[in-house]
Amino acid sequence: DTEVTQTPKHLVMGMTNKKSLKCEQHMGHRAMYWYKQKAKKPPELMFVYSYEKLSINESVPSRFSPECPNSSLLNLHLHALQPEDSALYLCASSQDGDWGEAFFGQGTRLTVV
Amino acid sequence: AQTVTQSQPEMSVQEAETVTLSCTYDTSESDYYLFWYKQPPSRQMILVIRQEAYKQQNATENRFSVNFQKAAKSFSLKISDSQLGDAAMYFCAYSSNFGNEKLTFGTGTRLTIIP
Repeated sequence: DTEVTQTPKHLVMGMTNKKSLKCEQHMGHRAMYWYKQKAKKPPELMFVYSYEKLSINESVPSRFSPECPNSSLLNLHLHALQPEDSALYLCASSQDGDWGEAFFGQGTRLTVV
Repeated sequence: AQTVTQSQPEMSVQEAETVTLSCTYDTSESDYYLFWYKQPPSRQMILVIRQEAYKQQNATENRFSVNFQKAAKSFSLKISDSQLGDAAMYFCAYSSNFGNEKLTFGTGTRLTIIP
């Protein structure tokens, strides 16, 4: 299984809602990542988890809260988002940060209304 | 900080022809990785090819090959025998070999294949 599975595929939420994005991989990868991608732009790194511990936070606002409950699962909890947070959120995983073996999920298209 | 530049926002090529996508980067490091990723309309980022900076030999993967010029900090992607399925956004990316968790992307080149 060489897949990174993200759910949901699409999400529409109001600015007062709380929602979560989910990412799962069963490749035994020890590093997992959240990226944000605005339309026609490259992905921008948000968070990196290494061995289930947060290793990089790219100064992301606290309305985004990552969680890594176990080595296969990565969540992104969303609360009080703004319309400008609407974007494609991509999850990726790799073995110990070796980008030669990294895999991306198909992303969650988030719209904040 | 490392930067990655793709100067061609859009390219097009006739099916079965060859096209080259350009990428330049800036770094003070001597050991790093360079990548080309493909993002079709399905949105998933797919690794096309990878080059390790310490290797002088250019990487190849079937119809995809790179021209890696370390001194010039240039890393172009050549696609031979272009196919309709090659249509996508192509991103050049850089990763340091030290603390290599961070992948820095260029702005992308949208490739259109003309039947």
